[in-house]
Amino acid sequence: NAGVTQTPKFQVLKTGQSMTLQCAQDMNHNSMYWYRQDPGMGLRLIYYSASEGTTDKGEVPNGYNVSRLNKREFSLRLESAAPSQTSVYFCASTPGHSRSTDTQYFGPGTRLTVL
Amino acid sequence: GQQLNQSPQSMFIQEGEDVSMNCTSSSIFNTWLWYKQDPGEGPVLLIALYKAGELTSNGRLTAQFGITRKDSFLNISASIPSDVGIYFCAGRYQGAQKLVFGQGTRLTINP
Repeated sequence: NAGVTQTPKFQVLKTGQSMTLQCAQDMNHNSMYWYRQDPGMGLRLIYYSASEGTTDKGEVPNGYNVSRLNKREFSLRLESAAPSQTSVYFCASTPGHSRSTDTQYFGPGTRLTVL
Repeated sequence: GQQLNQSPQSMFIQEGEDVSMNCTSSSIFNTWLWYKQDPGEGPVLLIALYKAGELTSNGRLTAQFGITRKDSFLNISASIPSDVGIYFCAGRYQGAQKLVFGQGTRLTINP
């Protein structure tokens, strides 16, 4: 049971390049999330998927797209990377919406630098 | 968007000292959560609070859900070196699927 896995762990891009960050969970969770973490800003939600087949914008969606490929996988795509997207990206999952399953399980993060 | 104000932003303490941090919001939350992030890792849930006034402990950690539902507090007693990291508060509105996170408190401990 690996929990939430993310690939790659590190990535350096040039401005204008595109890439996809991959996330997978093996806990049969319904909901998945993408956050970015910047110094002094905490965690800000980019997009989330409440259930397979649905996606919604979070607080900072501009410049990103997502795909909930199946129940296990939720990918984040940068179509044209910008230096402002230099950050640490975290994927998280949670079983559902009820109070007893409120815990979000986070992956180890992807450290992205855009030059 | 909605933000949580977490303070202090950083703390430098001696091993064995007690630690207190808090989080405030301009809006009412139905859930307060406290996470810890170790260096190079993702955040891990420490304590979840679901009721105004609730006081919950997890080992040396104690957290409280403020009576006004607009704040929460985390205390760590007798700090040890492994307590080093960033502590985040997070809140959730009733029925919401999303969490709102505070900016984090970075804890450094001098042995």
